[in-house]
Amino acid sequence: AQSVAQPEDQVNVAEGNPLTVKCTYSVSGNPYLFWYVQYPNRGLQFLLKYITGDNLVKGSYGFEAEFNKSQTSFHLKKPSALVSDSALYFCAVRDFAGANSKLTFGKGITLSVRP
Amino acid sequence: EAQVTQNPRYLITVTGKKLTVTCSQNMNHEYMSWYRQDPGLGLRQIYYSMNVEVTDKGDVPEGYKVSRKEKRNFPLILESPSPNQTSLYFCASSSQGQGGWNEQFFGPGTRLTVL
Repeated sequence: AQSVAQPEDQVNVAEGNPLTVKCTYSVSGNPYLFWYVQYPNRGLQFLLKYITGDNLVKGSYGFEAEFNKSQTSFHLKKPSALVSDSALYFCAVRDFAGANSKLTFGKGITLSVRP
Repeated sequence: EAQVTQNPRYLITVTGKKLTVTCSQNMNHEYMSWYRQDPGLGLRQIYYSMNVEVTDKGDVPEGYKVSRKEKRNFPLILESPSPNQTSLYFCASSSQGQGGWNEQFFGPGTRLTVL
């Protein structure tokens, strides 16, 4: 069964500092990986995805993520955090094979950026 | 505007009173799904549909029903709601793409309280 682990409940950073939000995954085939963000009282918004190709994926709002197959990780990064980045971040995985249409989410990590 | 809409946004009901949460998308997406979000558990899939008249169970289908009679609509039915179904519910949709399904678009959420 596929799974996603987001090992931290909360990440705290100062505005202007780099941020990393961690995600590791387990899937039987090749992974199809996503990051979503949820602002308070809102639905989830797509940030970026990895299908194949370049291990560094760039997404919305200046975020990027690095796929590492050997470590089965897909950590979300941003060079310089903004207070407005404070939100709940979800990593998700799907089996690339496509026959399994299920998308499995992690528990989410709360990012708090202090001024 | 491309969007997923859900109604109602907020609902307080009593145990055993049947209810339906509607979901509609205007993007002609084949895939639709329902999730529930609970603190510390992230998003868990309830049911999904790969096209009209094609539905399947997700991780937590007990106590829920769905139907997909039209491509744009995917209602969630609680025949006899119980307090453990108090949660935040999200509908999502996506289109077919490379390797299966593309990123999902989420509705704004329905906060359900069952007394």
